[in-house]
Amino acid sequence: GAGVSQSPRYKVAKRGQDVALRCDPISGHVSLFWYQQALGQGPEFLTYFQNEAQLDKSGLPSDRFFAERPEGSVSTLKIQRTQQEDSAVYLCASSSGTGDSPLHFGNGTRLTVT
Amino acid sequence: GNSVTQMEGPVTLSEEAFLTINCTYTATGYPSLFWYVQYPGEGLQLLLKATKADDKGSNKGFEATYRKETTSFHLEKGSVQVSDSAVYFCALSTNAGKSTFGDGTTLTVKP
Repeated sequence: GAGVSQSPRYKVAKRGQDVALRCDPISGHVSLFWYQQALGQGPEFLTYFQNEAQLDKSGLPSDRFFAERPEGSVSTLKIQRTQQEDSAVYLCASSSGTGDSPLHFGNGTRLTVT
Repeated sequence: GNSVTQMEGPVTLSEEAFLTINCTYTATGYPSLFWYVQYPGEGLQLLLKATKADDKGSNKGFEATYRKETTSFHLEKGSVQVSDSAVYFCALSTNAGKSTFGDGTTLTVKP
């Protein structure tokens, strides 16, 4: 596809439910990032993949958060037993290389936990 | 750790006014610096970048110069248009590829 695709666009979950957010990066991009964006703030780093290897997961806020990219393309961010503080926009971004390569963002998934 | 501090908004300007949005950073090593823009209803997209000291990034009439001595990367445009209304994010990236963002500055340009 032409850009990074995320689904669903909106997700409402009851507290305690599990959710799965999908990201389809730009074809050929080796690097994939997940960010969390609270209202009125900048994106906060969650985790980073290079191909299928998860190289950095230091930003995941708890062990309820899990991300995978098993074939080095599509990625899924899973949140178990959702809590109200998990409500945010979850952004996926991909890039072609290292530090000076810009990020290409998807439109995000807005998660609301009630 | 790395951090980015950018000018708080919102910023409201009249069309054709001069724009400056301040951005300063703290980083270990030599980061690359970026400005991203988010137009209403759209995702973040790259506006411009600079990868080393004294580099100037430019795009769509916007400019920013990587100033290592003042650890700054201020965004400027000489004459803003209504279509420039958006949220602007300053960011840095290290060799690891992980980017750190500022909190964003909302710009509204009135005709």
